Amino acid sequence: GESVGLHLPTLSVQEGDNSIINCAYSNSASDYFIWYKQESGKGPQFIIDIRSNMDKRQGQRVTVLLNKTVKHLSLQIAATQPGDSAVYFCAENKRGDSSYKLIFGSGTRLLVRP
Amino acid sequence: DADVTQTPRNRITKTGKRIMLECSQTKGHDRMYWYRQDPGLGLRLIYYSFDVKDINKGEISDGYSVSRQAQAKFSLSLESAIPNQTALYFCATSERGETQYFGPGTRLLVL
Repeated sequence: GESVGLHLPTLSVQEGDNSIINCAYSNSASDYFIWYKQESGKGPQFIIDIRSNMDKRQGQRVTVLLNKTVKHLSLQIAATQPGDSAVYFCAENKRGDSSYKLIFGSGTRLLVRP
Repeated sequence: DADVTQTPRNRITKTGKRIMLECSQTKGHDRMYWYRQDPGLGLRLIYYSFDVKDINKGEISDGYSVSRQAQAKFSLSLESAIPNQTALYFCATSERGETQYFGPGTRLLVL
């Protein structure tokens, strides 16, 4: 079936290193993708998004890469900081039925070691 | 996001009770959503509304109902709560689809 998934449930990185969080999607019709960050006790917070007509998009310390050939999405965090510790979700926009429903993956927990 | 508020933040109830979770937003968005989050799972869509007169079922609507009282208010009801509805519930809003902005969540425990 159509789904959004993550390769690794937990990622541990040293403070200052770069982090890469991966996500696979299976719906080739999806044309919009979002990364969310969820800190403990809080709601998901928008980080960055990308449309399918782009391969790469950069924000502040974050970069999202989209590889449509293999249906793969990644979130890169530069110089990871303790405040980056959270669960990260990718989500895809599934077109159809004239709706814009987001389908979320199960999340990857990022742990930043001091 | 402080623009999306949810009440209560925590709730404990008993099996069979009716409860309502409230969501309010000051972002002026037309679209509102209710999600459920369980440990180890992503967010799953319960209901969504594209305007005051529009209500749509999501992937897990059984056992839930919603009311869109105004553009800024969207409430979720559990008519007869059961233990497997114990979860974290999030409300979200968006403009014309796509990026959604989430509230802080309501933690519900059904005994």
